[in-house]
Amino acid sequence: EVQLVESGGGLVQPGGSLRLSCAASGFSFSSYWMHWVRQAPGKGLVWVSRINSDGSSTNYADSVKGRFTISRDNAKNTLFLQMNSLRAEDTAVYYCARGRGGYSYVPFDYWGQGTLVAVSS
Amino acid sequence: DIQMTQSPSTLSASVGDRVTITCRASQGIYTWLAWYQQKPGKAPKLLIYKASTLESGVPSRFSGSGSGTEFTLTISNLQPDDFATYYCQHYYGYSRDSFGQGTNLEIK
Repeated sequence: EVQLVESGGGLVQPGGSLRLSCAASGFSFSSYWMHWVRQAPGKGLVWVSRINSDGSSTNYADSVKGRFTISRDNAKNTLFLQMNSLRAEDTAVYYCARGRGGYSYVPFDYWGQGTLVAVSS
Repeated sequence: DIQMTQSPSTLSASVGDRVTITCRASQGIYTWLAWYQQKPGKAPKLLIYKASTLESGVPSRFSGSGSGTEFTLTISNLQPDDFATYYCQHYYGYSRDSFGQGTNLEIK
């Protein structure tokens, strides 16, 4: 059974940093593109970042470029999102998601349960 | 960036009804479109991809159509479990606007 379990969320002050993790199991993690998607309270889904299967290629939404870094450890089946210079508008539930079929431009067929990041003083 | 516009934002319907949600892309995306269902406090669930292909395990009362810039999600014979929020997503590239703003399907 495919499982994605996020952790690392919490309350952080503006300008602070946080590192999210997503532990994957039940599939060949090293074969899939992985993504982060966020959802502010009461709002819609917003794509944040993606990383290819071996970690050599990454992309970011303009709103987080230069502040967030996506990475992965295929030996530990874990996806990361390092978030620096956090702002109030980064407050959201952060989901990790798997790109369907292991290809580059695909929908997301499995999602974690999400981890809440709250940026406030 | 390609932007997705969903309509309506809210839809009221009854069990047994047939409903349609529309998603328009700001430029052509062929059939690189997916639909998701999300219930409160839960992660989104993939329903349809490639505009009309049903994900495994999704009931056949869900169907999708369209290509280019206009797409529809139709739910026939609404069931109580179907009341949720629905999102379209293009995957012809990714940006913060890849998802539509969502349609809240509520019980009339």
